Amino acid sequence: DAGITQSPRHKVTETGTPVTLRCHQTENHRYMYWYRQDPGHGLRLIHYSYGVKDTDKGEVSDGYSVSRSKTEDFLLTLESATSSQTSVYFCAIRTGEVTEAFFGQGTRLTVV
Amino acid sequence: KNEVEQSPQNLTAQEGEFITINCSYSVGISALHWLQQHPGGGIVSLFMLSSGKKKHGRLIATINIQEKHSSLHITASHPRDSAVYICAVRYTGNQFYFGTGTSLTVIP
Repeated sequence: DAGITQSPRHKVTETGTPVTLRCHQTENHRYMYWYRQDPGHGLRLIHYSYGVKDTDKGEVSDGYSVSRSKTEDFLLTLESATSSQTSVYFCAIRTGEVTEAFFGQGTRLTVV
Repeated sequence: KNEVEQSPQNLTAQEGEFITINCSYSVGISALHWLQQHPGGGIVSLFMLSSGKKKHGRLIATINIQEKHSSLHITASHPRDSAVYICAVRYTGNQFYFGTGTSLTVIP
């Protein structure tokens, strides 16, 4: 599993509140990704990082921000949660240019 | 648009059957991944391919670069193979693009 942990694993929050999800890796891999998974859509990229302080937007980045101040941590923040952000969020890492991708166990977020 | 198409969307098989799941993509790729997700579970990487064929136990993955097509085969299927299988491709950039998955149910 390349030492990936996501926290929390489950969260229920109210509309309008800020939420931060954490992805932690133990092996100093360069590339880290945040995806959301929704029925009928598959996995969609929110943001990704290719190094400390180097991030870029994915296809569904509106309403989300990320930070990567250390190689091992990639944080996803919902500035003001909405019900449309109810989803399962997966963190992933890529170990190199032509190598495996590894996924965290997912965070189930419910916005009520 | 970098599309990834999987077929079938849903598949039910009897235990022991040979199963094939297909993935097609639109332009040249750097790598293709097959992923497995059990109900309520995390996502596990099964294979990463850039050419040819790979085999792990009863699972075989092939890729045809010219035809822009990959297949995942499961021989002697078992109920524990029941899961969603996801094809993901990476083009020349850093992003992955995912198919919507094939839901496999293997009946004892």
